[in-house]
Amino acid sequence: AQSVSQHNHHVILSEAASLELGCNYSYGGTVNLFWYVQYPGQHLQLLLKYFSGDPLVKGIKGFEAEFIKSKFSFNLRKPSVQWSDTAEYFCAVNAESIGNEKLTFGTGTRLTIIP
Amino acid sequence: NAGVMQNPRHLVRRRGQEARLRCSPVKGHSHVYWYRQLPEEGLKFMVYLQKENIIDESGMPKERFSAEFPKEGPSILRIQQVVRGDSAAYFCASSPRDTYNSPLHFGNGTRLTVT
Repeated sequence: AQSVSQHNHHVILSEAASLELGCNYSYGGTVNLFWYVQYPGQHLQLLLKYFSGDPLVKGIKGFEAEFIKSKFSFNLRKPSVQWSDTAEYFCAVNAESIGNEKLTFGTGTRLTIIP
Repeated sequence: NAGVMQNPRHLVRRRGQEARLRCSPVKGHSHVYWYRQLPEEGLKFMVYLQKENIIDESGMPKERFSAEFPKEGPSILRIQQVVRGDSAAYFCASSPRDTYNSPLHFGNGTRLTVT
């Protein structure tokens, strides 16, 4: 079935560690890719997005993600995490094949940063 | 510069009662989306509406759930005869056009608890 997969359900890191959260999707054709973050008690906010062009996308707060079309992946990275990065991170995709208006989310990855 | 406003923030209903969830999109946004987040799961698309029209309701349960986005006023997600399994966080999002070209703006969500 077509889906968005986030294999890491809960990641625990110490401050200053490097971060990589996996995201894979199974839609063919043209896709747009997003990472959203949900800080405790807050609404989802857009971290970064990929529509076209340079597959390495830079977002807010030092986050970046790389679109690798051959691997159907859009992993999120940050070289040095901070305690304030503790949040839930959601990868999302929309694709022509599922209707442009429908954004499909992964199950999320809970990131806990230990001071 | 108000974002997406959802109310109530928390809603408690007994089994069999009705739940009404309200969503006011960002000013100027004509596209509204409802998502549901069950415990330990990602966001699941429910319905996509434009003013006075339901565009895609493929994610809505066949019974008891309905949504509207009238010409004037907020979008309403209505759940009749609630059951325990309806307990979840319901998120509304809006965009000025379809998500293929513009990211979603999310509200803080309504957390529904059915007792």
